[in-house]
Amino acid sequence: EAGVAQSPRYKIIEKRQSVAFWCNPISGHATLYWYQQILGQGPKLLIQFQNNGVVDDSQLPKDRFSAERLKGVDSTLKIQPAKLEDSAVYLCASSLTVRDGGSEQYFGPGTRLTVT
Amino acid sequence: ILNVEQSPQSLHVQEGDSTNFTCSFPSSNFYALHWYRWETAKSPEALFVMTLNGDEKKKGRISATLNTKEGYSYLYIKGSQPEDSATYLCALQYNFNKFYFGSGTKLNVKP
Repeated sequence: EAGVAQSPRYKIIEKRQSVAFWCNPISGHATLYWYQQILGQGPKLLIQFQNNGVVDDSQLPKDRFSAERLKGVDSTLKIQPAKLEDSAVYLCASSLTVRDGGSEQYFGPGTRLTVT
Repeated sequence: ILNVEQSPQSLHVQEGDSTNFTCSFPSSNFYALHWYRWETAKSPEALFVMTLNGDEKKKGRISATLNTKEGYSYLYIKGSQPEDSATYLCALQYNFNKFYFGSGTKLNVKP
């Protein structure tokens, strides 16, 4: 079974530039997550999708971050314009949706973003 | 936002040493506690999923316990090897598949 794919793996941009990340979840996984992991901190949820609908985007800085999941499969996360504090690893994860008891998350390798 | 704390932040041990670290959380209703191992430049890898008070899980030299009443989980590594060097994350899973992560324990095992 193929895992969660992410690209690019690394990205260096200057502040005020734009950047986009792509994620392809495991086939059949209805739930997709984007996390931001700043050095020294745990992953912080940015947005959670159930199929192509948003379940939680309460911690997404909507003035500069946007995400979409067209057709309930692939997803893109965009930052426009980037700030220095956006330097982080951006992790995508997916899971099956189980009504009771939850289910495991499977992670991609992440995109390491450096904003200079 | 729930406060999941992990300690220590980092740990340096010699090959062959046994070690353990802690994940603390507010005692509350949750579906499961997850442990992940995250090696540099790789995907976080699931180690254990625990749901019941008193749960104990083991995989090779690594084991974990869960105490939901007092709000902690321990991860143990027996006879650490250099390949165990990684960041170990714990996360609580709540309804609607929401996960709250700790900041991790970074383990460095010296040969």
